[in-house]
Amino acid sequence: AQKVTQAQTEISVVEKEDVTLDCVYETRDTTYYLFWYKQPPSGELVFLIRRNSFDEQNEISGRYSWNFQKSTSSFNFTITASQVVDSAVYFCALSGKGTYKYIFGTGTRLKVLA
Amino acid sequence: GAGVSQSPSNKVTEKGKDVELRCDPISGHTALYWYRQSLGQGLEFLIYFQGNSAPDKSGLPSDRFSAERTGGSVSTLTIQRTQQEDSAVYLCASSLDWGAGNTIYFGEGSWLTVV
Repeated sequence: AQKVTQAQTEISVVEKEDVTLDCVYETRDTTYYLFWYKQPPSGELVFLIRRNSFDEQNEISGRYSWNFQKSTSSFNFTITASQVVDSAVYFCALSGKGTYKYIFGTGTRLKVLA
Repeated sequence: GAGVSQSPSNKVTEKGKDVELRCDPISGHTALYWYRQSLGQGLEFLIYFQGNSAPDKSGLPSDRFSAERTGGSVSTLTIQRTQQEDSAVYLCASSLDWGAGNTIYFGEGSWLTVV
């Protein structure tokens, strides 16, 4: 069975702090894909990144970076120098080869305080 | 359109009434998905379409829920005899093709409140 766990329900940080959102996944597939989505207060889920299971290279996009470690089945997301606009619920998701279902974690609510 | 479009954005209905939620996917996207998000909860998969076909409807919570897609484009999610537990945000998403690895793009959702 596939499963995504986001153990952090809510995180509060002060602006300019760095913050890491954890994502742990379970799958028996050897080929799979991991995603992060951001859901701001407006409600629409915004796609942030997709990573396939064969690419463990970390990725950086501006203040965002992702750390994929197959050894620990984790795909963590770090925001550097957080800003108030980063306040949102962040979802991690998993999709296995040959499946149409995208399994989402329960999300982490990030509050960045000015 | 440029993104996934859903309507209505907000719907308040009386218990027992039927509701229809509409989704217009990104042009050219063959796969379409419906998810439900209850207040403060994660995303619950409901149904998926490949073209006009829904290979798996097992995610639908009860037989009061149904969905269809026509012309490989617009989809309608229908909830009959609504109950208060149906109150949630119903999210539609689409992807270029089906299967793992295809990025799914979400609409803004339809917020349903059953009173």
